[in-house]
Amino acid sequence: DGGITQSPKYLFRKEGQNVTLSCEQNLNHDAMYWYRQDPGQGLRLIYYSQIVNDFQKGDIAEGYSVSREKKESFPLTVTSAQKNPTAFYLCASTGIVTYTEAFFGQGTRLTVV
Amino acid sequence: RKEVEQDPGPFNVPEGATVAFNCTYSNSASQSFFWYRQDCRKEPKLLMSVYSSGNEDGRFTAQLNRASQYISLLIRDSKLSDSATYLCVALSGSARQLTFGSGTQLTVLP
Repeated sequence: DGGITQSPKYLFRKEGQNVTLSCEQNLNHDAMYWYRQDPGQGLRLIYYSQIVNDFQKGDIAEGYSVSREKKESFPLTVTSAQKNPTAFYLCASTGIVTYTEAFFGQGTRLTVV
Repeated sequence: RKEVEQDPGPFNVPEGATVAFNCTYSNSASQSFFWYRQDCRKEPKLLMSVYSSGNEDGRFTAQLNRASQYISLLIRDSKLSDSATYLCVALSGSARQLTFGSGTQLTVLP
């Protein structure tokens, strides 16, 4: 079945550690996105990528890094520079045809302990 | 000003009521629009794409007014299972950037 998979579902991080969230899609989508959602809030864009080896910062990129070495994969690293990383992280992908909706992974809930 | 703005809500309505959500967008380059539904602690799921001519899917009707840069979602005969947060989304063509509204929370009461 085609879809987008995020892992892990739950992640605990000690302060000062970097952690990497995985996002893989087999939908042959060109564009991929990372969003952050805080409780009771909307989705805020961290990074997005339209094509392999290229990505752009979103509204809240500070303290995060990404790579896009393969079309299928768009991992997000939450670095120690991110002051308040506890949140729900969502990865999405979309094709290049007009009206192509975005598909989401099930999300990763990151907690700093 | 936010690129995509929605009614703040929350909306609390009785079963069977009709409820309407509104959304405005500021980026005139936006080409595609969607309504997503998000249940608590879950990922957003597509409810409807929004076409220029308007479209209907059962109890749900979406409208797009490009001149006013306005999108709406109408839910008729509300069910308890419609309780969720509804997200308005705009997709800009060239940049392929998805922009979400902050969401409107709906609670349908028995």
